[in-house]
Amino acid sequence: AQSVTQPDIHITVSEGASLELRCNYSYGATPYLFWYVQSPGQGLQLLLKYFSGDTLVQGIKGFEAEFKRSQSSFNLRKPSVHWSDAAEYFCALRAYNQGGKLIFGQGTELSVKP
Amino acid sequence: DTAVSQTPKYLVTQMGNDKSIKCEQNLGHDTMYWYKQDSKKFLKIMFSYNNKELIINETVPNRFSPKSPDKAHLNLHINSLELGDSAVYFCASSQGGQGGDTQYFGPGTRLTVL
Repeated sequence: AQSVTQPDIHITVSEGASLELRCNYSYGATPYLFWYVQSPGQGLQLLLKYFSGDTLVQGIKGFEAEFKRSQSSFNLRKPSVHWSDAAEYFCALRAYNQGGKLIFGQGTELSVKP
Repeated sequence: DTAVSQTPKYLVTQMGNDKSIKCEQNLGHDTMYWYKQDSKKFLKIMFSYNNKELIINETVPNRFSPKSPDKAHLNLHINSLELGDSAVYFCASSQGGQGGDTQYFGPGTRLTVL
């Protein structure tokens, strides 16, 4: 069965420090992969997505993610975190021929220390 | 000019009542979705419609009935509300129902059943 795992429930980083949020997936082929961010009380905003081509994907707000087929991973990175990045981050996959549904990981809550 | 809007934003009601949540998108998309986010922030697909046709019904109790009067609207009606229905419900839309299409999310409706 398809699934997405985000091993870290909560991460705290200092402002200006680098960030890496982990995402592992289980799927029989290469899925479409997404990272969304949810600020408190808000909906989800797409940060970036991968579906083919270059395995390093650039997104909005200075985020990037790298798809590694051998590790079934799609980790999100940012070189320097800003206080406004504090939010919940969700990794998701979309399988083929399943009506377009997104399968989400459990989410990682990011806190930023001043 | 909100892309995906939901009403109401908050809904507090008693067990056993019937309530509806409305969703509208002005993006011209063909596919709309309902997701449920539980108290642990886990997101799960409930329904998907493509051009007013039901595509996904993800083992949701039949107390939940989606209705799509046109492709810009997807409403969610819930009968005989139970405590376990308390959650945040997100509407989303995408151009198609497959591939790397981005799903755009509404701001969510927080439902509290007392």
